[in-house]
Amino acid sequence: EVQLVESGGGLVQPGGSLRLSCAASGFTFSIYWMSWVRQAPGKGLEWVANINQDGSEKFYVDSVKGRFTISRDNAKNSLYLQMNSLRAEDTAVYYCARSPDIMDVWGKGTTVTVSS
Amino acid sequence: EIVMTQSPATLSVSPGERATLSCWASQSISSDLAWFQQKPGQAPSLLIYGASTRATSTPARFSGSGSGTEFTLTISSLQSEDFAFYYCQQYNKWPPTTFGQGTKVEIK
Repeated sequence: EVQLVESGGGLVQPGGSLRLSCAASGFTFSIYWMSWVRQAPGKGLEWVANINQDGSEKFYVDSVKGRFTISRDNAKNSLYLQMNSLRAEDTAVYYCARSPDIMDVWGKGTTVTVSS
Repeated sequence: EIVMTQSPATLSVSPGERATLSCWASQSISSDLAWFQQKPGQAPSLLIYGASTRATSTPARFSGSGSGTEFTLTISSLQSEDFAFYYCQQYNKWPPTTFGQGTKVEIK
């Protein structure tokens, strides 16, 4: 079964850091671009970042540039999102998704709450 | 950045009726448009890509149309499991890929 499972979310104070992980299974992870998409409470979907197959290309939404870093470990079939200098407006459910364009597989998401 | 606009924000429909959802792009995106369904507490699920191609598990009552800047998702006969949020997404010019703000389909 093709599956993505996110982990690492939680409650963090403003200015703090968190590292999200996404474990992939059921498909050849190393041949796909991967993405992170977030959804603030009661709001719509917002693309956050994506990364190409070998990690040599990375793109970010302007609001997280310089604070978030996307990475991957193909040997571990895993995608990561290092989030630093977190702000209240980063509070959201974070989803990993397969592919940068037609996002055909999504994880169930992990919740990040930034609050003092 | 391409801005995606969906209409209406909320659509009230009776079971068995037809639902028509609209999505506009701020510039031409050819047919590089996807539709997602999202139920409360769940992840989005891909319904349609390429503006009109159903994803593997998408029932035939869902159909997509349009190209350029105007797109439509039609649900021919609403079933109870279809009451949800629907989002359109353009992937013609990325980054960033962008989503519409969503349409809630609720029971009338």
